[in-house]
Amino acid sequence: GENVEQHPSTLSVQEGDSAVIKCTYSDSASNYFPWYKQELGKRPQLIIDIRSNVGEKKDQRIAVTLNKTAKHFSLHITETQPEDSAVYFCAPFTGNQFYFGTGTSLTVIP
Amino acid sequence: GAVVSQHPSRVICKSGTSVKIECRSLDFQATTMFWYRQFPKQSLMLMATSNEGSKATYEQGVEKDKFLINHASLTLSTLTVTSAHPEDSSFYICSAVPDSNTDTQYFGPGTRLTVL
Repeated sequence: GENVEQHPSTLSVQEGDSAVIKCTYSDSASNYFPWYKQELGKRPQLIIDIRSNVGEKKDQRIAVTLNKTAKHFSLHITETQPEDSAVYFCAPFTGNQFYFGTGTSLTVIP
Repeated sequence: GAVVSQHPSRVICKSGTSVKIECRSLDFQATTMFWYRQFPKQSLMLMATSNEGSKATYEQGVEKDKFLINHASLTLSTLTVTSAHPEDSSFYICSAVPDSNTDTQYFGPGTRLTVL
């Protein structure tokens, strides 16, 4: 399967600061790039996604940027709030399967 | 819309028994469903791709004879963990891909399996 890595694995920020998580993937056939938020014991929740023909997408405090040439995409959260604390996963879609990244545990300190 | 259910939500069983988990798309048809396993503090690991009307495709390292998948209709896939052992204890999550939008997946709520 595709090799998907995320950095950092853990991230602590002060409330109101920004957080950035980077996802690198190996399969150049990947054409759809979602980010999921998962709270403990619950299912992943799609928070933002981007397709391969777009370089950036923004939805209020959340944005995603894509660099297909370099095979990475990043999640940007601005004005972080305590309720943003969770584990975040990228899961690029190869056209057949989704392969989840290693995950990033985000803690927003009030 | 786009609701996926999964049953049971929790199951505790004795070592050596088999456990069946159901994944249903309630308001859309899904030719393709995925089964994932998640150990504590780890990522979701894709186990297999379930295709209606054909055999499932298993990821490398996943034993197809141990994890039986049946996708008998466009709204139901089942995962049976056969002869379960304590090391099979995990959080199992399914997802369903709508036939109308095949690069999207909707997740079930997951099944917590504990094998004693």
